[in-house]
Amino acid sequence: AQSVTQPDIHITVSEGASLELRCNYSYGATPYLFWYVQSPGQGLQLLLKYFSGDTLVQGIKGFEAEFKRSQSSFNLRKPSVHWSDAAEYFCAVGGISGSARQLTFGSGTQLTVLP
Amino acid sequence: NAGVTQTPKFQVLKTGQSMTLQCAQDMNHNSMYWYRQDPGMGLRLIYYSASEGTTDKGEVPNGYNVSRLNKREFSLRLESAAPSQTSVYFCASSEGITDTQYFGPGTRLTVL
Repeated sequence: AQSVTQPDIHITVSEGASLELRCNYSYGATPYLFWYVQSPGQGLQLLLKYFSGDTLVQGIKGFEAEFKRSQSSFNLRKPSVHWSDAAEYFCAVGGISGSARQLTFGSGTQLTVLP
Repeated sequence: NAGVTQTPKFQVLKTGQSMTLQCAQDMNHNSMYWYRQDPGMGLRLIYYSASEGTTDKGEVPNGYNVSRLNKREFSLRLESAAPSQTSVYFCASSEGITDTQYFGPGTRLTVL
């Protein structure tokens, strides 16, 4: 069964600083990988996804993520954080479980942005 | 194009009461999902429906039932609510091929 680990429960950065959120996954085949963002009181919004091909994927809001098969990682990065990026971020891996394709989510990383 | 919609947004129940959470999608997706979100636990899958007419249990199905009414609608029912079911509930849909799921805004449920 697939699993996802987000080692950092809470990260604090200053506005304008760079950001990296860590994600490690476990899956037997080539995974489909996702990052979602959740603002307070909102649903989850898709930031970016990796299916195949170029291991560096670009997403919305200036985010990017790099798939590293050798490290089973899919870390999310942003060169310069804005105050509006404060939110909770979830990494997810897709795969077959039961009768449908499903996502398995990490427990999330809460991002605080200091002015 | 509204995407995934959920009703109600908020609900307070007393222990033992029943209620149904409604979800609808207008993206013509085959697969639909119900999750619950609790602090520090990410999202846990309650039930899913791979296609119209089918439903299957997820990770935490106890105390819940679902109905895939048609391709658009997927409802979640709590027959006898318990305080442990206090949570935020999210519905999602997916075309089912690339696993990309699209989420509704959530229902915040409190059981007293």
